[in-house]
Amino acid sequence: GAVVSQHPSRVICKSGTSVKIECRSLDFQATTMFWYRQFPKQSLMLMATSNEGSKATYEQGVEKDKFLINHASLTLSTLTVTSAHPEDSSFYICSAYASGGAKNEQFFGPGTRLTVL
Amino acid sequence: DAKTTQPPSMDCAEGRAANLPCNHSTISGNEYVYWYRQIHSQGPQYIIHGLKNNETNEMASLIITEDRKSSTLILPHATLRDTAVYYCIVTNNAGNMLTFGGGTRLMVKP
Repeated sequence: GAVVSQHPSRVICKSGTSVKIECRSLDFQATTMFWYRQFPKQSLMLMATSNEGSKATYEQGVEKDKFLINHASLTLSTLTVTSAHPEDSSFYICSAYASGGAKNEQFFGPGTRLTVL
Repeated sequence: DAKTTQPPSMDCAEGRAANLPCNHSTISGNEYVYWYRQIHSQGPQYIIHGLKNNETNEMASLIITEDRKSSTLILPHATLRDTAVYYCIVTNNAGNMLTFGGGTRLMVKP
């Protein structure tokens, strides 16, 4: 299957700093990428949908000024957590949507564990 | 998208078949049934999907009832590495928009 990478895999930062997470589709072009957040023992919660070359669409309750999403190319989307606080500590997962061919499916990255001290 | 209901947890003996049920009684005609799994601290992994016919691939089989109100994911010979949370998702965008429910935590035991 197609490969999606995330960088970094884990990050620890101080409260008030900003953290950027990259999501790359390595062997296909993704017109749409999704960002999810997962707290311990909970399911994935969709944060935003990112389309290449346009503004991201945020889910209700997700602050767009705090979670900045940039989708500058068909293989790269970035999520920046601005002024991070301990409550932002979570597992952040991206996915890339590959359309066409025999099947349409989302391919998920390995996740980024963010710990805010 | 239609809502799905799955048992929160299941156990299975290693080497036996694991049958994971999913109810999706409000599914509409153009909605697909997708199954993903998530091993601890990893991103979800696609397993299989179907519309109304039963499907089989190298990982699993998907059995969808004739009325499409429920389905069963079958792992024919479960191994310890199949221990994970399994998510049944119904979507009307052929896999574009996915809404994750609670899933079933499958524990494969020796």
